[in-house]
Amino acid sequence: DGGITQSPKYLFRKEGQNVTLSCEQNLNHDAMYWYRQDPGQGLRLIYYSQIVNDFQKGDIAEGYSVSREKKESFPLTVTSAQKNPTAFYLCASNLGRSSYNEQFFGPGTRLTVL
Amino acid sequence: ELKVEQNPLFLSMQEGKNYTIYCNYSTTSDRLYWYRQDPGKSLESLFVLLSNGAVKQEGRLMASLDTKARLSTLHITAAVHDLSATYFCAVVTQGGSEKLVFGKGTKLTVNP
Repeated sequence: DGGITQSPKYLFRKEGQNVTLSCEQNLNHDAMYWYRQDPGQGLRLIYYSQIVNDFQKGDIAEGYSVSREKKESFPLTVTSAQKNPTAFYLCASNLGRSSYNEQFFGPGTRLTVL
Repeated sequence: ELKVEQNPLFLSMQEGKNYTIYCNYSTTSDRLYWYRQDPGKSLESLFVLLSNGAVKQEGRLMASLDTKARLSTLHITAAVHDLSATYFCAVVTQGGSEKLVFGKGTKLTVNP
């Protein structure tokens, strides 16, 4: 089955720790995206990548880092510099530039800081 | 900077009634999407609207787009409990980056 997988589903972090959220897709999509959702809010873009080995900051990139070494994978690291990381994190992908296809979303990772 | 506003943010309605959710956006865009989110779940794509005057329907939901007014509507006909969810509109920024800007969502509750 083609789709987007995120792991883990739930993640607990202690203050001062870095954690990495996984996002993998087997849809052969070029572009991948990371969003953050806070309760009662819409989604805000953290980082996006339109091609392997290249990525751009979104609207709320501070305290986060990403890599795109493979087309299928776009991991997000939440660093200790992120002041309030507790949120629901969603990864998405689409065919990328010049495409009219919508973004498809993974199941999400819920991160809680203890 | 593209801004997207939805209203209402909360909507409680009775089964069998009709209602409309509105999505306004501030700058030109050539695409608008509607998504549904159930509690604790991810986003499910409902509609992709590509051009002025576009209208799409799926079951009891109908979405339309007026690019001149920078307005999209999601109309609910004869609501049923299964439609209870949060609905988001999202607009693509111009320039080829494919970035989406989301509204804050409309939480719909359909009561028996």
